[in-house]
Amino acid sequence: GAVVSQHPSWVICKSGTSVKIECRSLDFQATTMFWYRQFPKQSLMLMATSNEGSKATYEQGVEKDKFLINHASLTLSTLTVTSAHPEDSSFYICSARDGREGETQYFGPGTRLLVL
Amino acid sequence: AQSVSQHNHHVILSEAASLELGCNYSYGGTVNLFWYVQYPGQHLQLLLKYFSGDPLVKGIKGFEAEFIKSKFSFNLRKPSVQWSDTAEYFCAVGTYKYIFGTGTRLKVLA
Repeated sequence: GAVVSQHPSWVICKSGTSVKIECRSLDFQATTMFWYRQFPKQSLMLMATSNEGSKATYEQGVEKDKFLINHASLTLSTLTVTSAHPEDSSFYICSARDGREGETQYFGPGTRLLVL
Repeated sequence: AQSVSQHNHHVILSEAASLELGCNYSYGGTVNLFWYVQYPGQHLQLLLKYFSGDPLVKGIKGFEAEFIKSKFSFNLRKPSVQWSDTAEYFCAVGTYKYIFGTGTRLKVLA
């Protein structure tokens, strides 16, 4: 299957700072990437859909000014958590849609964010 | 409203036991169905998927799932589990965007 990487895997930051998370498709081009958030012992909640070369589409209740998404190339999408607060601490997971396999999404390993 | 239900939140089995994890969905229109597995400390991996055709889908590692349209179900099965199958299993439904179930934690006792 296709491979998706995320960087960093762990990040600890102070409240009020911004954190950037990268999501890369390593062996395929992804016109669409997705960003999810996973709370402990809960399912994945879709935050936004990132399309290469256009603005991201955010799910209801997700602050677009808080979670900035940029999809600058066919292999890279970034999520920036701006002015992070402790309640933003979570596990963020990206996925990339491999167009060669219909609507199949391949997932990155996730980034654990802890805001102090 | 679109939703996915996984009824079993925690399942404990002994090795060689048979496994069936339930997944029911509510979704309008054409539906694609997926099962993903998340091993401890690892990322989500695709087990199997259904788009169309034969409703009995075979995936990796001996897993299979059956799509029953009349029951809006896509249950995951494995005839004989191994200790290495200990993981969390997620059912997902969607065409462009996915809706995930809450997951089922499976623990297989050696």
